[in-house]
Amino acid sequence: EIVLTQSPGTLSLSPGERATLSCRASQSVSSSYLAWYQQKPGQAPRLLIYGASSRATGIPDRFSGSGSGTDFTLTISRLEPEDFAVYYCQQYGSSQGTFGGGTKVEIK
Amino acid sequence: EVQLVQSGAEVKKPGESLKISCKGSGYSFTSYWIGWVRQMPGKGLEWMGIIYPGDSDTRYSPSFQGQVTISADKSISTAYLQWSSLKASDTAMYYCARGKDGGISDYWGQGTLVTVSS
Repeated sequence: EIVLTQSPGTLSLSPGERATLSCRASQSVSSSYLAWYQQKPGQAPRLLIYGASSRATGIPDRFSGSGSGTDFTLTISRLEPEDFAVYYCQQYGSSQGTFGGGTKVEIK
Repeated sequence: EVQLVQSGAEVKKPGESLKISCKGSGYSFTSYWIGWVRQMPGKGLEWMGIIYPGDSDTRYSPSFQGQVTISADKSISTAYLQWSSLKASDTAMYYCARGKDGGISDYWGQGTLVTVSS
């Protein structure tokens, strides 16, 4: 089973700042099956990025994804008030999926 | 509009059985995978497994294999997650989600809260 490790666990930033979230895999992941989700309290997760770098429908362009192999990054170029949430990476390969432990982006 | 509507919250006792549902609409139900994800109170997301309603091909996470059963009835566009004997540790929110690319989920249900307590 591929283990995804997200860092940092918590990111304390101010609105307008840049957020850089990391997701590291225990073995190589197909970029086609690497996604990022946002979850706010009391809500279901929302797909932000799929295929490592493609934005899902309706996702603002301040969200971007990059990376390949075992290292992937989600960048939020300028944090808006509604972006403070928990972010998860997820991979799907060999008929198995796993999520990372999540990064909480909180207001500083 | 793609929608996944899950059944309502459940309160059960340890040892009881349970089947929760997820009804898809607004798309071809038999052409996309449906996955299930667990979120225990205050914790992260856990991938449980997926099913392809078109042919009932089902894949499980090793952590959940043998603990739950995933099924689907394509005639009513509904997927299911069931337990034969619940434990207190099954207390969690359970989400279903449509698989955009296999296990990558683009649309999510609202979640079903399962509480198991004596």
